[in-house]
Amino acid sequence: NAGVTQTPKFRVLKTGQSMTLLCAQDMNHEYMYWYRQDPGMGLRLIHYSVGEGTTAKGEVPDGYNVSRLKKQNFLLGLESAAPSQTSVYFCASSYPSAQETQYFGPGTRLLVL
Amino acid sequence: GENVEQHPSTLSVQEGDSAVIKCTYSDSASNYFPWYKQELGKRPQLIIDIRSNVGEKKDQRIAVTLNKTAKHFSLHITETQPEDSAVYFCAARRYNFNKFYFGSGTKLNVKP
Repeated sequence: NAGVTQTPKFRVLKTGQSMTLLCAQDMNHEYMYWYRQDPGMGLRLIHYSVGEGTTAKGEVPDGYNVSRLKKQNFLLGLESAAPSQTSVYFCASSYPSAQETQYFGPGTRLLVL
Repeated sequence: GENVEQHPSTLSVQEGDSAVIKCTYSDSASNYFPWYKQELGKRPQLIIDIRSNVGEKKDQRIAVTLNKTAKHFSLHITETQPEDSAVYFCAARRYNFNKFYFGSGTKLNVKP
């Protein structure tokens, strides 16, 4: 089991460029999440999904879009990157049960110049 | 929505001493409380969790206590070691709800 994987590990973008971050999980989890982590600010939820074909906004959704076309994949898109989106992005997944934890991917470090 | 507050933001202890990190939550419907450890440059990883029908849970040098009445839960690490140095996050999840609410993190430094 690979668990939760993320692609790419690191990326540098210029302002205005677009990119897609890929998250994949092989644990058959229904729920998937995208967080961003900035220094000293903990984890902030961007978007999440409770199943294939469904997505919902989290705490900081502006500037991001997501898609969940397959149960095992959750994509995070930046249409026009801004320096404020420089961050570390973590994907996570979990079972629907309210008393189960979530498992995190290794993170993607994004630098927007 | 739920609000989770975590204290202290930084904690420095001598090797062998105990460390305690506290979190409070606002939603009485929250019933699952995990703790994550994040080493520098790594992903957050679950170290211990507690469900609302339990008051305390131990796993070797780590323990978590939950006070539902006061709506707070704490992480206790005994006999700290330098490899315990990391950022620790608490979280709360509400019954029948999709999201986890995280505390702001505690940076623990264990001095040899």
